[in-house]
Amino acid sequence: SQTIHQWPATLVQPVGSPLSLECTVEGTSNPNLYWYRQAAGRGLQLLFYSIGIGQISSEVPQNLSASRPQDRQFILSSKKLLLSDSGFYLCAWSGSSGGSTDTQYFGPGTRLTVL
Amino acid sequence: AQSVTQPDIHITVSEGASLELRCNYSYGATPYLFWYVQSPGQGLQLLLKYFSGDTLVQGIKGFEAEFKRSQSSFNLRKPSVHWSDAAEYFCAAQYSSASKIIFGSGTRLSIRP
Repeated sequence: SQTIHQWPATLVQPVGSPLSLECTVEGTSNPNLYWYRQAAGRGLQLLFYSIGIGQISSEVPQNLSASRPQDRQFILSSKKLLLSDSGFYLCAWSGSSGGSTDTQYFGPGTRLTVL
Repeated sequence: AQSVTQPDIHITVSEGASLELRCNYSYGATPYLFWYVQSPGQGLQLLLKYFSGDTLVQGIKGFEAEFKRSQSSFNLRKPSVHWSDAAEYFCAAQYSSASKIIFGSGTRLSIRP
């Protein structure tokens, strides 16, 4: 069966420091991958999605970037964190069958606090 | 623009009482519809999904949802809630297989003992 992992689970970083959050998926090939942010008491905001290695689409302009160095690995990064980057970051995957919609399945999330 | 609306930000029901969480979607075409649940500090878990066919969809944990085209709604129901159902619930829609999923803002469910 497919599983999705995120680490770290929690992170406290000072303003201006770099960031690297990792997401990996097991049990599937060529998944679509997604990064969402959930601010406190808010809904989900799609940040990035990827349909393949090296293929990243950005949904909103921001201080963050994403990379997909391997088929089942999705990394969220920042060179200099801002206070507004605090939030709960969720990675998700879906199939890429193309002919029908594919449900998104979410990882456990990373709680990021920028001080 | 395509959107998903969950009009209730916070709902409190008594344990054992019935529950209905509301969800409305925009746009003329019928999207694929989903309900997710998020426990505090956790990721989202899929409860159920509707693609086509029978408009009453059964999900996990005793939840069900009914698609009503005439009302552009996909409300989530449970006949008798348990304290463990306290969580945040998100409705979501996808308007085509190539489009992104749009999430509602969520409804927080509290259970009164």
